[in-house]
Amino acid sequence: GAVVSQHPSWVICKSGTSVKIECRSLDFQATTMFWYRQFPKQSLMLMATSNEGSKATYEQGVEKDKFLINHASLTLSTLTVTSAHPEDSSFYICSDSINYGYTFGSGTRLTVV
Amino acid sequence: SQQGEEDPQALSIQEGENATMNCSYKTSINNLQWYRQNSGRGLVHLILIRSNEREKHSGRLRVTLDTSKKSSSLLITASRAADTASYFCATDGGSQGNLIFGKGTKLSVKP
Repeated sequence: GAVVSQHPSWVICKSGTSVKIECRSLDFQATTMFWYRQFPKQSLMLMATSNEGSKATYEQGVEKDKFLINHASLTLSTLTVTSAHPEDSSFYICSDSINYGYTFGSGTRLTVV
Repeated sequence: SQQGEEDPQALSIQEGENATMNCSYKTSINNLQWYRQNSGRGLVHLILIRSNEREKHSGRLRVTLDTSKKSSSLLITASRAADTASYFCATDGGSQGNLIFGKGTKLSVKP
């Protein structure tokens, strides 16, 4: 089946720095990639939808200038958390969508100290 | 936005017992899926049930769907300690074509 490779699986960074998370589709072309965020003991909430070759669509309350999404190719979507703060510490996970099927990356645990 | 509401939020049972988790949703759906998540890890897809199906089985899993009540249940029979995880229902129909997740049930199976 489809495979989405997400890196890194965990990262610890200092406040004020930026962190890039990559999601790579290994055996298919993903025109759309969903980015979810999961705070501790909570559910997954959609942050944004990245579309290859066009601007991402952000959910209400998600700062587009803070969470930069790039989907420059059909196999790679990236999420960059800029000027990270401790409150950005969360579990970030991507998912593609093909024919109403969804394949998730393995997730990235971000800890901002 | 979050659509599904699972109950219970937490469930603790003994190994060998059955575990039942329920999920309610708000909008029309094409399908509903159940996922499992071990602590701090990624999602594992368990089962998908389409809107025209009422019940589906997969191994020790049994899922029901009642579209008139906008609810679904996940039954895990003969639970094992390894079943300890959080379980989420997810419906299609997000405005971007995304899944909408419920709040999840944290299942603890004690040996």
